[in-house]
Amino acid sequence: AQTVTQSQPEMSVQEAETVTLSCTYDTSESDYYLFWYKQPPSRQMILVIRQEAYKQQNATENRFSVNFQKAAKSFSLKISDSQLGDAAMYFCAYRRTGNQFYFGTGTSLTVIP
Amino acid sequence: DVKVTQSSRYLVKRTGEKVFLECVQDMDHENMFWYRQDPGLGLRLIYFSYDVKMKEKGDIPEGYSVSREKKERFSLILESASTNQTSMYLCASSSPGLRVQYFGAGTRLSVL
Repeated sequence: AQTVTQSQPEMSVQEAETVTLSCTYDTSESDYYLFWYKQPPSRQMILVIRQEAYKQQNATENRFSVNFQKAAKSFSLKISDSQLGDAAMYFCAYRRTGNQFYFGTGTSLTVIP
Repeated sequence: DVKVTQSSRYLVKRTGEKVFLECVQDMDHENMFWYRQDPGLGLRLIYFSYDVKMKEKGDIPEGYSVSREKKERFSLILESASTNQTSMYLCASSSPGLRVQYFGAGTRLSVL
């Protein structure tokens, strides 16, 4: 079975600074998708960024970017210029060909004013 | 915008009660999912459905069943609620071409 590991249960960052959240995954597949989802306190889970495994270029969405290392099965999320609204639980997720997604255990990010 | 609506944000039930959690999506998505979210365990898949009346077990189906009679609605059923089913339940939907899941706001269920 596929597994997704987030080794940092909690992280904190000073406002306006940069933080990187780690994620590793285990798979024998070559074609898959990776995601970072954000869940603010008491609010809906939303997609932050996604990466197709066949693309070598790292995905970027405004202040959010990923470092995708396919050989190492690593998929980290970098948040630049952190804002108070970035405080949330962040989940890394993996989707293989098919319908199932696999989620990590989450990283709780605190942004310090 | 995709909308996934879960019927209740908070629910309190008694042990042994039959509990229905409802989820409706408005984007004609084929796939719908029920997850359970617990601290330190992340999201664990209970059941998913890839078409009307079709369902597949996820990682933790024990104690749960599902129903999908219409494409837009996916129900999670706790036949006899137990205290260890106290949790946050998340519904999601997706379409094969989208490769992204859209989530509802969640239902926090307490079983006393």
